[in-house]
Amino acid sequence: QKEVEQDPGPLSVPEGAIVSLNCTYSNSAFQYFMWYRQYSRKGPELLMYTYSSGNKEDGRFTAQVDKSSKYISLFIRDSQPSDSATYLCATEGGTSYGKLTFGQGTILTVHP
Amino acid sequence: DAGITQSPRYKITETGRQVTLMCHQTWSHSYMFWYRQDLGHGLRLIYYSAAADITDKGEVPDGYVVSRSKTENFPLTLESATRSQTSVYFCASSDAVAKNIQYFGAGTRLSVL
Repeated sequence: QKEVEQDPGPLSVPEGAIVSLNCTYSNSAFQYFMWYRQYSRKGPELLMYTYSSGNKEDGRFTAQVDKSSKYISLFIRDSQPSDSATYLCATEGGTSYGKLTFGQGTILTVHP
Repeated sequence: DAGITQSPRYKITETGRQVTLMCHQTWSHSYMFWYRQDLGHGLRLIYYSAAADITDKGEVPDGYVVSRSKTENFPLTLESATRSQTSVYFCASSDAVAKNIQYFGAGTRLSVL
Protein backbone atom coordinates (compact mmCIF):
# COMPACT_ATOMS: atom_id res chain seq x y z
CA GLN A 1 0.00 0.00 0.00
CA LYS A 2 1.29 3.45 -0.89
CA GLU A 3 1.75 5.88 1.95
CA VAL A 4 -0.29 8.51 0.12
CA GLU A 5 -3.18 7.51 -2.13
CA GLN A 6 -4.71 9.88 -4.64
CA ASP A 7 -7.27 9.16 -7.33
CA PRO A 8 -5.56 10.03 -10.64
CA GLY A 9 -8.84 10.93 -12.31
CA PRO A 10 -9.04 12.42 -14.86
CA LEU A 11 -11.61 14.86 -13.56
CA SER A 12 -13.50 17.11 -15.97
CA VAL A 13 -15.78 19.92 -14.75
CA PRO A 14 -17.52 22.93 -16.29
CA GLU A 15 -16.25 26.42 -15.60
CA GLY A 16 -17.61 27.79 -12.34
CA ALA A 17 -17.95 24.40 -10.66
CA ILE A 18 -16.66 23.59 -7.20
CA VAL A 19 -13.87 21.04 -7.43
CA SER A 20 -12.99 18.62 -4.65
CA LEU A 21 -9.64 16.81 -4.74
CA ASN A 22 -8.74 14.26 -2.12
CA CYS A 23 -5.94 12.14 -0.72
CA THR A 24 -5.60 9.62 2.05
CA TYR A 25 -2.43 8.75 3.87
CA SER A 26 -1.33 6.00 6.21
CA ASN A 27 1.60 7.34 8.25
CA SER A 28 0.55 9.00 11.52
CA ALA A 29 3.92 10.78 11.67
CA PHE A 30 2.94 13.10 8.82
CA GLN A 31 2.49 16.60 10.18
CA TYR A 32 2.74 18.85 7.16
CA PHE A 33 0.43 18.72 4.19
CA MET A 34 0.85 20.40 0.85
CA TRP A 35 -0.87 20.76 -2.46
CA TYR A 36 1.17 21.33 -5.57
CA ARG A 37 -0.16 22.35 -8.97
CA GLN A 38 1.62 21.15 -12.07
CA TYR A 39 0.86 22.46 -15.53
CA SER A 40 1.69 20.33 -18.54
CA ARG A 41 5.44 20.12 -19.19
CA LYS A 42 6.20 22.26 -16.12
CA GLY A 43 7.51 21.63 -12.63
CA PRO A 44 5.21 21.40 -9.60
CA GLU A 45 4.51 24.70 -7.84
CA LEU A 46 3.42 24.95 -4.23
CA LEU A 47 -0.23 25.95 -3.96
CA MET A 48 -1.20 25.36 -0.34
CA TYR A 49 0.68 24.45 2.82
CA THR A 50 -0.90 23.42 6.11
CA TYR A 51 0.31 22.09 9.40
CA SER A 52 -1.71 19.50 11.32
CA SER A 53 -5.50 19.40 11.19
CA GLY A 54 -7.78 22.21 10.13
CA ASN A 55 -8.65 24.43 7.20
CA LYS A 56 -6.66 27.00 5.30
CA GLU A 57 -8.12 29.33 2.73
CA ASP A 58 -6.36 31.30 0.03
CA GLY A 59 -8.62 33.02 -2.46
CA ARG A 60 -10.61 30.39 -4.34
CA PHE A 61 -8.62 27.56 -2.76
CA THR A 62 -9.29 25.82 0.56
CA ALA A 63 -7.09 23.06 1.96
CA GLN A 64 -8.54 20.80 4.62
CA VAL A 65 -6.76 18.23 6.76
CA ASP A 66 -8.45 15.68 9.01
CA LYS A 67 -5.73 13.82 10.87
CA SER A 68 -8.19 11.57 12.69
CA SER A 69 -9.26 10.02 9.40
CA LYS A 70 -5.95 10.69 7.60
CA TYR A 71 -7.75 12.59 4.87
CA ILE A 72 -6.54 15.62 2.90
CA SER A 73 -8.74 17.74 0.64
CA LEU A 74 -8.38 20.66 -1.70
CA PHE A 75 -11.45 22.62 -2.76
CA ILE A 76 -11.45 25.00 -5.70
CA ARG A 77 -14.37 27.42 -5.91
CA ASP A 78 -15.52 29.08 -9.11
CA SER A 79 -13.13 26.93 -11.13
CA GLN A 80 -11.55 28.49 -14.21
CA PRO A 81 -10.03 26.96 -17.36
CA SER A 82 -6.68 28.22 -16.08
CA ASP A 83 -7.07 25.79 -13.16
CA SER A 84 -6.67 22.89 -15.59
CA ALA A 85 -3.57 21.08 -14.35
CA THR A 86 -2.41 18.08 -12.35
CA TYR A 87 -2.82 18.53 -8.60
CA LEU A 88 -0.44 16.66 -6.33
CA CYS A 89 -0.93 16.20 -2.62
CA ALA A 90 2.20 15.78 -0.52
CA THR A 91 2.96 15.10 3.11
CA GLU A 92 6.00 15.34 5.34
CA GLY A 93 6.92 14.35 8.83
CA GLY A 94 9.28 12.22 10.80
CA THR A 95 12.47 12.93 8.84
CA SER A 96 15.27 15.41 9.40
CA TYR A 97 15.57 16.45 5.78
CA GLY A 98 12.06 17.34 4.68
CA LYS A 99 11.27 14.18 2.75
CA LEU A 100 8.05 14.72 0.86
CA THR A 101 5.77 11.81 0.04
CA PHE A 102 3.57 12.54 -2.95
CA GLY A 103 0.30 11.19 -4.19
CA GLN A 104 0.05 10.18 -7.84
CA GLY A 105 -1.64 13.41 -8.82
CA THR A 106 -5.16 14.13 -10.12
CA ILE A 107 -5.54 15.49 -13.66
CA LEU A 108 -8.15 18.24 -13.69
CA THR A 109 -9.71 19.83 -16.77
CA VAL A 110 -12.04 22.81 -16.45
CA HIS A 111 -13.88 23.37 -19.71
CA PRO A 112 -15.46 26.70 -20.70
CA ASP B 1 18.04 33.86 -14.31
CA ALA B 2 16.71 33.78 -10.78
CA GLY B 3 15.28 30.59 -9.34
CA ILE B 4 16.06 27.00 -10.14
CA THR B 5 17.04 25.90 -13.62
CA GLN B 6 17.54 22.47 -15.09
CA SER B 7 19.39 21.49 -18.21
CA PRO B 8 18.91 20.02 -20.66
CA ARG B 9 15.13 20.15 -20.88
CA TYR B 10 15.03 17.13 -23.18
CA LYS B 11 17.55 14.35 -23.64
CA ILE B 12 17.59 11.18 -25.69
CA THR B 13 20.33 8.66 -25.01
CA GLU B 14 21.12 5.01 -25.51
CA THR B 15 21.31 2.16 -23.06
CA GLY B 16 24.70 2.00 -21.36
CA ARG B 17 25.68 5.62 -21.90
CA GLN B 18 26.50 8.01 -19.10
CA VAL B 19 24.20 11.00 -18.77
CA THR B 20 24.42 14.01 -16.47
CA LEU B 21 21.46 16.21 -15.66
CA MET B 22 22.25 19.66 -14.34
CA CYS B 23 20.51 21.70 -11.66
CA HIS B 24 21.35 25.24 -10.62
CA GLN B 25 19.65 27.45 -8.03
CA THR B 26 20.23 31.09 -7.22
CA TRP B 27 18.57 31.29 -3.80
CA SER B 28 21.52 29.88 -1.82
CA HIS B 29 19.18 27.22 -0.46
CA SER B 30 20.89 24.63 1.71
CA TYR B 31 18.80 21.69 0.63
CA MET B 32 18.53 20.30 -2.87
CA PHE B 33 16.62 17.28 -4.09
CA TRP B 34 16.30 15.09 -7.16
CA TYR B 35 12.98 13.41 -7.97
CA ARG B 36 11.75 11.31 -10.82
CA GLN B 37 8.14 11.38 -11.99
CA ASP B 38 6.54 8.35 -13.59
CA LEU B 39 2.96 7.46 -14.41
CA GLY B 40 1.43 5.51 -11.57
CA HIS B 41 4.18 6.44 -9.12
CA GLY B 42 4.02 10.18 -8.76
CA LEU B 43 7.20 11.89 -7.64
CA ARG B 44 9.83 9.75 -5.95
CA LEU B 45 12.97 11.02 -4.24
CA ILE B 46 16.25 9.83 -5.73
CA TYR B 47 18.87 11.75 -3.73
CA TYR B 48 19.01 14.81 -1.56
CA SER B 49 21.71 17.11 -0.25
CA ALA B 50 21.68 19.10 2.98
CA ALA B 51 24.68 21.27 2.05
CA ALA B 52 27.77 21.28 -0.14
CA ASP B 53 29.58 17.92 0.11
CA ILE B 54 26.66 16.34 2.07
CA THR B 55 24.44 14.00 0.09
CA ASP B 56 22.26 11.03 0.94
CA LYS B 57 20.03 8.47 -0.70
CA GLY B 58 16.31 8.83 -1.12
CA GLU B 59 13.72 6.25 -2.05
CA VAL B 60 15.06 5.13 -5.46
CA PRO B 61 18.85 5.80 -5.63
CA ASP B 62 20.04 2.72 -7.54
CA GLY B 63 21.79 3.58 -10.81
CA TYR B 64 22.28 7.24 -9.93
CA VAL B 65 25.18 9.27 -8.59
CA VAL B 66 25.14 12.83 -7.26
CA SER B 67 27.68 15.37 -6.17
CA ARG B 68 27.52 18.81 -4.68
CA SER B 69 30.78 20.70 -4.68
CA LYS B 70 29.04 24.10 -4.70
CA THR B 71 25.87 25.13 -2.89
CA GLU B 72 24.16 26.26 -6.07
CA ASN B 73 24.73 23.15 -8.21
CA PHE B 74 23.48 19.60 -7.79
CA PRO B 75 24.14 17.41 -10.84
CA LEU B 76 22.60 13.96 -11.22
CA THR B 77 24.51 11.32 -13.18
CA LEU B 78 23.20 8.12 -14.64
CA GLU B 79 26.40 6.10 -14.89
CA SER B 80 25.06 3.50 -17.32
CA ALA B 81 21.58 4.43 -18.47
CA THR B 82 18.86 1.77 -18.63
CA ARG B 83 15.42 1.90 -20.25
CA SER B 84 13.80 1.88 -16.81
CA GLN B 85 15.41 5.26 -16.19
CA THR B 86 13.27 6.83 -18.90
CA SER B 87 11.39 9.42 -16.89
CA VAL B 88 10.93 13.09 -16.13
CA TYR B 89 13.48 14.33 -13.60
CA PHE B 90 12.86 17.26 -11.30
CA CYS B 91 15.30 19.12 -9.16
CA ALA B 92 14.05 21.04 -6.12
CA SER B 93 15.53 23.21 -3.41
CA SER B 94 14.54 24.52 0.02
CA ASP B 95 16.08 26.47 2.82
CA ALA B 96 17.23 24.86 6.05
CA VAL B 97 14.42 26.32 8.16
CA ALA B 98 11.50 25.20 5.97
CA LYS B 99 12.92 22.07 4.39
CA ASN B 100 9.49 20.81 3.37
CA ILE B 101 8.67 23.90 1.32
CA GLN B 102 10.42 22.89 -1.86
CA TYR B 103 10.69 24.82 -5.11
CA PHE B 104 10.92 22.81 -8.28
CA GLY B 105 12.65 23.30 -11.58
CA ALA B 106 10.92 22.80 -14.92
CA GLY B 107 12.21 19.25 -15.31
CA THR B 108 14.32 17.22 -17.73
CA ARG B 109 12.52 14.72 -19.92
CA LEU B 110 14.90 11.79 -20.46
CA SER B 111 14.38 8.96 -22.92
CA VAL B 112 16.70 5.96 -22.86
CA LEU B 113 16.48 3.92 -26.06
